[in-house]
Amino acid sequence: EVQLVESGGGLVQPGGSLRLSCAASGFTFSSYWMNWVRQAPGKGLEWVAHISQDGNEKYYVDSVKGRFTISRDNAKNSLYLQMNSLRAEDTAVYYCVSYNSSPYAFDVWGQGTMVTVSS
Amino acid sequence: QSALTQPASVSGSPGQSITISCTGTSSDVGSYNLVSWYQQHPGKAPKLMIYEGSKRPSGVSNRFSGSKSGNTASLTISGLQAEDESDYFCCSYAGGSTWVFGGGTRLTVL
Repeated sequence: EVQLVESGGGLVQPGGSLRLSCAASGFTFSSYWMNWVRQAPGKGLEWVAHISQDGNEKYYVDSVKGRFTISRDNAKNSLYLQMNSLRAEDTAVYYCVSYNSSPYAFDVWGQGTMVTVSS
Repeated sequence: QSALTQPASVSGSPGQSITISCTGTSSDVGSYNLVSWYQQHPGKAPKLMIYEGSKRPSGVSNRFSGSKSGNTASLTISGLQAEDESDYFCCSYAGGSTWVFGGGTRLTVL
């Protein structure tokens, strides 16, 4: 069974840092590019970051550039999101996302991990 | 990277058909036939319903269909059922390995 399990969320003060992890299983992780998508409470979905299969190509939504870093460890079947200089507007459920039907759509989702930025 | 525009809410009676629009720009929806649609029930992760504009993943009912005209994509749900009541989000590939989502539409089955 294809599965993505996020961890690492929690409460952090503005300006603080947090590292999210995503453990993948049930598929050949190293063959798929991966993404992080977030959803603020009561709001819509927002694509956050993308990483290529080998980890050499990384792309971000403008609002997190310079503050967030996506990375992966194919030997550990794991995806990460290092979040620095956190702001209140980063408060959201963060989903680890992959694909099956098309590399341009998201049909494999984790359960999400909640990040709350507040003093 | 501006969000795609969706109506905040739509409604329909059981058995009817509804259409949800998703308007982008010539840089995203208009440039690629790579719009996807997601259904999300409260407290759950989104579920892919349509990909590449009009294709359905295995297991998704053929009551769901997608189309595109210019910078606007559409999701049509025919034969509305109570279980279709949910939030729906569109998403478009925007080039350069980036994606943009719509703000979401709440579907109410009357």
